[in-house]
Amino acid sequence: GQNIDQPTEMTATEGAIVQINCTYQTSGFNGLFWYQQHAGEAPTFLSYNVLDGLEEKGRFSSFLSRSKGYSYLLLKELQMKDSASYLCAVRDSNYQLIWGAGTKLIIKP
Amino acid sequence: NAGVTQTPKFRVLKTGQSMTLLCAQDMNHEYMYWYRQDPGMGLRLIHYSVGEGTTAKGEVPDGYNVSRLKKQNFLLGLESAAPSQTSVYFCASTQGDFDTGELFFGEGSRLTVL
Repeated sequence: GQNIDQPTEMTATEGAIVQINCTYQTSGFNGLFWYQQHAGEAPTFLSYNVLDGLEEKGRFSSFLSRSKGYSYLLLKELQMKDSASYLCAVRDSNYQLIWGAGTKLIIKP
Repeated sequence: NAGVTQTPKFRVLKTGQSMTLLCAQDMNHEYMYWYRQDPGMGLRLIHYSVGEGTTAKGEVPDGYNVSRLKKQNFLLGLESAAPSQTSVYFCASTQGDFDTGELFFGEGSRLTVL
């Protein structure tokens, strides 16, 4: 079966750096997405990786290793507003998105 | 620019009642999706559409029906609501650009079935 694994919850300190990992086992691979979802709100797009390596976008970076079935989202200079759930999703060989359950990130002052 | 709009935002139903959730997008997107989100689980695809007049089943289609009569609208129907259908429902759309395929989500519809 297809599976996306992420930690359920993480805690970090304002101003620090946090890395959220995602491992996947899917039928084929056509890209990996990270979305941010604040409590009670809709998911919003953060990043997309289809080739191995690091994609940087401001304070957020996303890394992909297709051979290891692994990605991480790196958040730098954490702010209180970064408290949210972070969803990892993989597009499979049928171009369907398989979603992880999300990682709830708690930022403490 | 409204993006993706869902109505209603909240609804309480009794077991056996029927209802329809409406999703409207103003971005001229071809692809539209209905997901449900439950605690501790990833988003699960109910039904989707790759263009006006087309629909297809997703991962969890049982108990739901959909229609896409107009390109901008995607309707999700619950024929006979069950407590297991208590969930948050999200509609999403994308142009279908497989280079990114970024999804744009509606605000969600919170449904409780008693």
